[in-house]
Amino acid sequence: EVQLVESGGGLIQPGGSLRLSCAASGFVFSGHQMNWVREAPGRGLEWLSFISDSGHFTYYTDSVEGRFTISRDNAKNSLYLQMNSLRAEDTAVYYCARQQNYYDSVASNWVVYMDVWGKGTTVTVSS
Amino acid sequence: EIVLTQSPGTLSLSPGQRATLSCRASQSVATNYLAWYQQRPGQAPVLLIYGASRRATGIPDRFSGSGSGTVFTLTISRLEPEDSAVYYCQQYGSSPPYTFGQGTKLEIK
Repeated sequence: EVQLVESGGGLIQPGGSLRLSCAASGFVFSGHQMNWVREAPGRGLEWLSFISDSGHFTYYTDSVEGRFTISRDNAKNSLYLQMNSLRAEDTAVYYCARQQNYYDSVASNWVVYMDVWGKGTTVTVSS
Repeated sequence: EIVLTQSPGTLSLSPGQRATLSCRASQSVATNYLAWYQQRPGQAPVLLIYGASRRATGIPDRFSGSGSGTVFTLTISRLEPEDSAVYYCQQYGSSPPYTFGQGTKLEIK
């Protein structure tokens, strides 16, 4: 069964750090780009970060650039999100999501989407 | 950065009716880069539609996507109570950043 399981969430004080993990199983982890997405209370989904299959390329949304770091260990089938300088507005459920990319030879273009999501881990930033 | 605006914010319908959800982009989005997700309360998002109009595996044919350029639509026909959820559109572009719309809450009463 294809599965993603997040862990590492919890209660943390403002200014603190936390490392989230995402354990992948049931598929070739090293063959997929991965993402982190969060859902803050009363707010919608927010894409946070992307990492290429090799780990060489990373992207971040502006609100976490410089504070969060995405990484992966393909030997351990694991994705990580190191979160530093946490703020109250970082309180959210954090999801990891597998990205699917395939080439549509009929349309001659790449199709991209996130097809597998974990159940999420909750991060609460509060004093 | 491409901004996606979804409307309406909330939609209240009855079982058996049809729901039409809109997603408007601040600039043109290639159809191969537009997806729709369903998120029920307390659950993770589920992929419904990718490539603007292709149903994901296991998604009933009551769900359909259409559109191009800056206007995209998710249509849910023959509404069922379990369709109550928040629906998000997302654009990918040729590279990140990716963005979500703010969501449409669908209530089935």
